[in-house]
Amino acid sequence: DAGVIQSPRHEVTEMGQEVTLRCKPISGHDYLFWYRQTMMRGLELLIYFNNNVPIDDSGMPEDRFSAKMPNASFSTLKIQPSEPRDSAVYFCASTRALNTEAFFGQGTRLTVV
Amino acid sequence: QKEVEQDPGPLSVPEGAIVSLNCTYSNSAFQYFMWYRQYSRKGPELLMYTYSSGNKEDGRFTAQVDKSSKYISLFIRDSQPSDSATYLCAINAGNNRKLIWGLGTSLAVNP
Repeated sequence: DAGVIQSPRHEVTEMGQEVTLRCKPISGHDYLFWYRQTMMRGLELLIYFNNNVPIDDSGMPEDRFSAKMPNASFSTLKIQPSEPRDSAVYFCASTRALNTEAFFGQGTRLTVV
Repeated sequence: QKEVEQDPGPLSVPEGAIVSLNCTYSNSAFQYFMWYRQYSRKGPELLMYTYSSGNKEDGRFTAQVDKSSKYISLFIRDSQPSDSATYLCAINAGNNRKLIWGLGTSLAVNP
C-alpha cells in the first residue's frame, strides 16, 4: 500500500476563495482523521470518520469548514471562504481502530494571503 | 489545565548525548501511551507504543510510563543527528476514545 495520500502538497490561495483538500486513506482502515498543525496550537483534531460516517466534528473551527467521506477510499476537507488564519499544515491520517497506530499523509501546506 | 502537557523546547544536544523527553497528563483513565516522531515537512510516524506502567525498550529508544505520577518519558541513548525531529506524545483512554496530543518537543542533535 502506498500509505495515506494527500493532495495537493501545497496550496496558496487568496482570502475568500474556496479550498478543497483531498485524502486517500490506507485500504482496510476504518477510521479517517483530519488534523490541523500550527506552531502555536500543535496538532489539532478537526474531525474523524468511522466507516465513512462522521463521528466527532467538535474540532471543526466554524461553519466555514466542512468534511465529507463519500466512500472508504476518499475524503475531502473544504474551507469556504478561506481566511489568513486558516494558514497551517493539514494532515489526514487513517487507523484500523482508535487506539492503534495512526498513519499520516505528507500533509497539505495551506497559505491564505 | 490541558489534558496533555509537553514542553515544546527547542532542545539542542551534542551527538552521543542521552535525551529525555517528557509529557504529563491529567486524566487517570488514560491507558494507551504513544510517541510519534515528525521530521520536518513530513507527517508524524509512530515510534513507541506502551499500554501499561513500566519501561519498553526498542534499540536506542526507551519509553517509560509512571501512571501514579501521570508522567511519561522517552529516552534516546547515543543520540544521532538523524534523531533531529519533533517528538509528540499521544495518549488515549481506550474505550473508543480519540487520541489526545502533546504540542511536541523539537530536538536538534548536533554533530
